[in-house]
Amino acid sequence: DAKTTQPNSMESNEEEPVHLPCNHSTISGTDYIHWYRQLPSQGPEYVIHGLTSNVNNRMASLAIAEDRKSSTLILHRATLRDAAVYYCILWDDKIIFGKGTRLHILP
Amino acid sequence: DTGVSQDPRHKITKRGQNVTFRCDPISEHNRLYWYRQTLGQGPEFLTYFQNEAQLEKSRLLSDRFSAERPKGSFSTLEIQRTEQGDSAMYLCASSFSGTGSTEAFFGQGTRLTVV
Repeated sequence: DAKTTQPNSMESNEEEPVHLPCNHSTISGTDYIHWYRQLPSQGPEYVIHGLTSNVNNRMASLAIAEDRKSSTLILHRATLRDAAVYYCILWDDKIIFGKGTRLHILP
Repeated sequence: DTGVSQDPRHKITKRGQNVTFRCDPISEHNRLYWYRQTLGQGPEFLTYFQNEAQLEKSRLLSDRFSAERPKGSFSTLEIQRTEQGDSAMYLCASSFSGTGSTEAFFGQGTRLTVV
């Protein structure tokens, strides 16, 4: 079973930042937090991952709470191409997907 | 490397027929995963391999499903005696298992329609 909790859907305006929350209260000390997204009619795509420290890459930033029980994926400037389902996952030898958050971007 | 490739991209089959799908992972990746996804749902884990060893199978994987990765490179997923409920997107992913954590790369999937 998925070990993370995310809102079912979120909406954001184009060119504005988006903060996608994820709760993972049962996280263990060795679990990495991964984010993937799935665009329509495509396979999931890796976005970012981290363990304890905040992480940045060209796609997004990952902010991890100090107690690691929650995290936030930050898209700094959303575009229409960022409309997708975003999955927050605790990596445990394999990816177990939950329902994810469907992100709608308004032009 | 062109990423994870799956073949075929689409398959229509009659109920009761057998089907086989192929996945070619990224060449240096030692882990390979299979998932199934139905409309509106997140992908469901089916099974995964490390090299040629099948390390875990989901309870979702009935006896009609079998997966192989004979030489630790490509993998096949076979469904015997297909049923309409098997209609779904079948996704393959690969990753490299080493120290720490690494990302998985997914293929575009094989869409199966059982009529």
